Amino acid sequence: QSALTQPPSVSGSPGQSVTISCTGTISDVGNYNRVSWYQQPPGTAPKLMIYEVSKRPSGVPDRFSGSKSGNTASLTISGLQAEDEADYYCSSYTTSSTYVFGSGTKVTVL
Amino acid sequence: EVQLLESGGGLVQPGGSLRLSCAASGFTFSSYAMSWVRQAPGKGLEWVASVSGNGESLYYVDYLKGRFAISRDNSKKTQYLQMNSLRVEDTALYYCAKVTEWSTGAFDIWGQGTMVTVSS
Repeated sequence: QSALTQPPSVSGSPGQSVTISCTGTISDVGNYNRVSWYQQPPGTAPKLMIYEVSKRPSGVPDRFSGSKSGNTASLTISGLQAEDEADYYCSSYTTSSTYVFGSGTKVTVL
Repeated sequence: EVQLLESGGGLVQPGGSLRLSCAASGFTFSSYAMSWVRQAPGKGLEWVASVSGNGESLYYVDYLKGRFAISRDNSKKTQYLQMNSLRVEDTALYYCAKVTEWSTGAFDIWGQGTMVTVSS
């Protein structure tokens, strides 16, 4: 099972929007709406930000939104803030009843 | 408070074994699937294994089958990862994670991780 493909890095100024893509295959992202996104600041454990493509857990700001089209899911951070600087990972359930993570994207706030 | 606390990591020689534990609190442990996710130094997240709430269904990343074994003891609210024939490339921070609901395919609670270093 290969990792889902994410861009290594994205950046934006405070207040701008950035979008991170997550490309898989028909065996994972394209087959289910079980795509989730995690935020991981340096030295900390991952935190669930989005599940089932576009749902936000309680406490996650509505600046974070998710979507999916075909085999590609996306995470958009609107109104970028300094505290959003972190690594972000997507994850998908697969047709083999396993999970696969994305390669990770470093978000930099300029 | 919902919490996961890993233990059992350490330094081990190649070919050795370790058993990781993850103690849960603050939720009905037996109602949820649990997982292990690892992260090699400076690298990304890698799903390792999952176990269903009743412990009967086990799932592994293909290339770890036969060397790693996941299990759980619901009476102790603890899950385990038995790691055998360890290799240098197994060096990583191992996280315990709770699965929200199996239908959502998401990990909503994470521990702080336990470090495993495989080196001679």
